Amino acid sequence: QKEVEQNSGPLSVPEGAIASLNCTYSDRVSQSFFWYRQYSGKSPELIMSIYSNGDKEDGRFTAQLNKASQYVSLLIRDSQPSDSATYLCAVNNQAGTALIFGKGTTLSVSS
Amino acid sequence: GAGVSQSPSNKVTEKGKDVELRCDPISGHTALYWYRQRLGQGLEFLIYFQGNSAPDKSGLPSDRFSAERTGESVSTLTIQRTQQEDSAVYLCAVRGSSNSYNEQFFGPGTRLTVL
Repeated sequence: QKEVEQNSGPLSVPEGAIASLNCTYSDRVSQSFFWYRQYSGKSPELIMSIYSNGDKEDGRFTAQLNKASQYVSLLIRDSQPSDSATYLCAVNNQAGTALIFGKGTTLSVSS
Repeated sequence: GAGVSQSPSNKVTEKGKDVELRCDPISGHTALYWYRQRLGQGLEFLIYFQGNSAPDKSGLPSDRFSAERTGESVSTLTIQRTQQEDSAVYLCAVRGSSNSYNEQFFGPGTRLTVL
């Protein structure tokens, strides 16, 4: 069973701090990695995708991928209360037909 | 948004009844997915459609679940003889552009409650 693991949290950070969200995956052949943000009662929203080892930055968000360690992370700089949500890590399945999701990490940013 | 609408937004049904959920993507999305999200859980893949190819049904949890899609049009997910464990949010997603490496964009979902 291919798995994606995330710490459920909650992760609590003060406004303006850096939030660090982590994810590990079990399938070494995974090639595509995604972070989704999900507000309570809403559907997931894609915020970052990463395909190569290293860092990818988009505004206040940085995704980091280490395929050797089977580890992907999301950093949120200058965290805002509006960043409070559940963050879902997802990786593609072997066939490339679907995404396998972790259970998500709940982030709470206090003002 | 993702260009995907779903209906109904909420559905309450009695155990044993059949339900049909609808996903309506804007045109041009050849790849369409259904996922299920139970309360407090991650998303579970159900089924994948790619154009006129045979769908990947590997995620359907039982033979009570079926889905249809013709070409790039509307998709329907049918659950027969619903059970309480079917209560979840059912999410439809479409793939982005051909260069998006399986980026998926979700509709608003249908919340199904089985009493």
